[in-house]
Amino acid sequence: AQKVTQAQTEISVVEKEDVTLDCVYETRDTTYYLFWYKQPPSGELVFLIRRNSFDEQNEISGRYSWNFQKSTSSFNFTITASQVVDSAVYFCALSDWAGTALIFGKGTTLSVSS
Amino acid sequence: DADVTQTPRNRITKTGKRIMLECSQTKGHDRMYWYRQDPGLGLQLIYYSFDVKDINKGEISDGYSVSRQAQAKFSLSLESAIPNQTALYFCATSQGADTQYFGPGTRLTVL
Repeated sequence: AQKVTQAQTEISVVEKEDVTLDCVYETRDTTYYLFWYKQPPSGELVFLIRRNSFDEQNEISGRYSWNFQKSTSSFNFTITASQVVDSAVYFCALSDWAGTALIFGKGTTLSVSS
Repeated sequence: DADVTQTPRNRITKTGKRIMLECSQTKGHDRMYWYRQDPGLGLQLIYYSFDVKDINKGEISDGYSVSRQAQAKFSLSLESAIPNQTALYFCATSQGADTQYFGPGTRLTVL
């Protein structure tokens, strides 16, 4: 069975701090996809990144970076120089090769104070 | 205009009432999904549809039904609403196994 664990329920940081959100997944599939979504206080779900299981290259997009390590079944998300606007719930998710469904973690609530 | 729209955005209803949540998309995607989010939990899949003639149950389909009226429209029904169906409901779409994009959500309260 597939499972996603986000052990950090809540994280609080002060603006400009770097913060890493952890995601550990379980799957027996050799081909799968990993995702991060952001849910700001307004409630919508915003897609951030999609990674397939064959691509372990780290990704950087502005202040966001992602570290995918198959050896530890982890797909961690780092925000550099956090800003108040980064305050949100962040979800890690996993899908099989067929994209049947997204299996979500329970989310990490990030609070960035000024 | 938003690519994925959901109506209504908020709804308060009473136990035993039938209610329908609607989802429309202009992305031209073939697949559509309904998820439910409860406070402090991630999203759970209720139903999904790979095309108009293909509808499948997700992990929490009991108490719900769906209809795919067209490629662009996917509605979720609660035949007889109960209080533990109070939640935030999301519709999502994807083209094949590609990324799922979510609608703005419908906040449903069952009294």
